[in-house]
Amino acid sequence: EAQVTQNPRYLITVTGKKLTVTCSQNMNHEYMSWYRQDPGLGLRQIYYSMNVEVTDKGDVPEGYKVSRKEKRNFPLILESPSPNQTSLYFCASSPLGTGSAGELFFGEGSRLTVL
Amino acid sequence: AQSVTQLGSHVSVSEGALVLLRCNYSSSVPPYLFWYVQYPNQGLQLLLKYTSAATLVKGINGFEAEFKKSETSFHLTKPSAHMSDAAEYFCAVSSGAGSYQLTFGKGTKLSVIP
Repeated sequence: EAQVTQNPRYLITVTGKKLTVTCSQNMNHEYMSWYRQDPGLGLRQIYYSMNVEVTDKGDVPEGYKVSRKEKRNFPLILESPSPNQTSLYFCASSPLGTGSAGELFFGEGSRLTVL
Repeated sequence: AQSVTQLGSHVSVSEGALVLLRCNYSSSVPPYLFWYVQYPNQGLQLLLKYTSAATLVKGINGFEAEFKKSETSFHLTKPSAHMSDAAEYFCAVSSGAGSYQLTFGKGTKLSVIP
């Protein structure tokens, strides 16, 4: 089954404790992206990657890191989480190609709480 | 720069009634426009998209949207609401062909009253 898989789905942590949210897709997509969803703010892009070893900042990159060493994986790293990073996080992927631009496949989300 | 405004953070309709969710966009280039749906505790999934071909776009589950350049609008409609349509709907804009960067609206939560 074609899917984007995120782990963990739920996490409660404390300020300053490094954590990684993994994202893996099995559709051989080149494009991958991380978003955060907050009530009343919609989805905001954190980082994106057009292909292996190519990453770039989105609209709200502060406090986050990413890497793209393999095509299928795009982990999101919070080096020193703070309470304002409490949010619902989504990973998404898309194949490259004019016809598919903007057609994102989303994971089910990771709800993160930072105390 | 591009932006999306969704009018109404929460819309309630009766089962069987018309669904109308409003989206206005701003873009300096001919846009691509999208509607995504998010069911409770799930990720977003694409409902439909406009890519400068037909202005009336049909999507899944009986939804459609009409691109109106003069009004900079891309409203989502469905003739008859079902209980299963209860979800949050997001309008999004990109700067056209080849652009993978979407700007999302803040979302409209649709409730369907039996």
